[in-house]
Amino acid sequence: GENVEQHPSTLSVQEGDSAVIKCTYSDSASNYFPWYKQELGKGPQLIIDIRSNVGEKKDQRIAVTLNKTAKHFSLHITETQPEDSAVYFCAAIPEGGNEKLTFGTGTRLTIIP
Amino acid sequence: NAGVTQTPKFQVLKTGQSMTLQCAQDMNHNSMYWYRQDPGMGLRLIYYSASEGTTDKGEVPNGYNVSRLNKREFSLRLESAAPSQTSVYFCASSEAGTSGYNEQFFGPGTRLTVL
Repeated sequence: GENVEQHPSTLSVQEGDSAVIKCTYSDSASNYFPWYKQELGKGPQLIIDIRSNVGEKKDQRIAVTLNKTAKHFSLHITETQPEDSAVYFCAAIPEGGNEKLTFGTGTRLTIIP
Repeated sequence: NAGVTQTPKFQVLKTGQSMTLQCAQDMNHNSMYWYRQDPGMGLRLIYYSASEGTTDKGEVPNGYNVSRLNKREFSLRLESAAPSQTSVYFCASSEAGTSGYNEQFFGPGTRLTVL
């Protein structure tokens, strides 16, 4: 089955700086890679996703890049703000995976004012 | 719309007790999921239901049963709770994709402690 590794487990950045979270996956058939943000006491919420036919996707201050050859994808947050503090999860799903996502172990991002 | 709702929010059980976690969604989604979240282990799929009347095991199904009561509701039952089942449980739903994958919407979670 699919295995997703996520690094780092914790990340602290100064407000206004950029943050990068990296994930690797094992199943070369995986073709959908979402990122979820979980605020304290809440359920995860999708913030951006990318499919295997695209190398990069941006949405305002958030971007995701995908390298299928190396089997890794990354989340980039620019101009970080206090409200970006949360736990972020990457995930992957292989083609024919019946919508069963495999999640990474999460990154706790703290923005220092 | 309430989205995905879960009850209860908190629960404490003794080893061997049973309970059912309830989940309902009002988005007319076909697919529903149960996950558990443990420190350092991310979210792990317990069971999945692609449509009313169908269920499928996920990564960690042992010790759990599920019922897809109708399109809206998907319950998770612990028949004989064990301390290893102490966790935060999340229910989620999504529109089944015919040519791709769709966003999963999560409920607020149930924090379960088994003593």
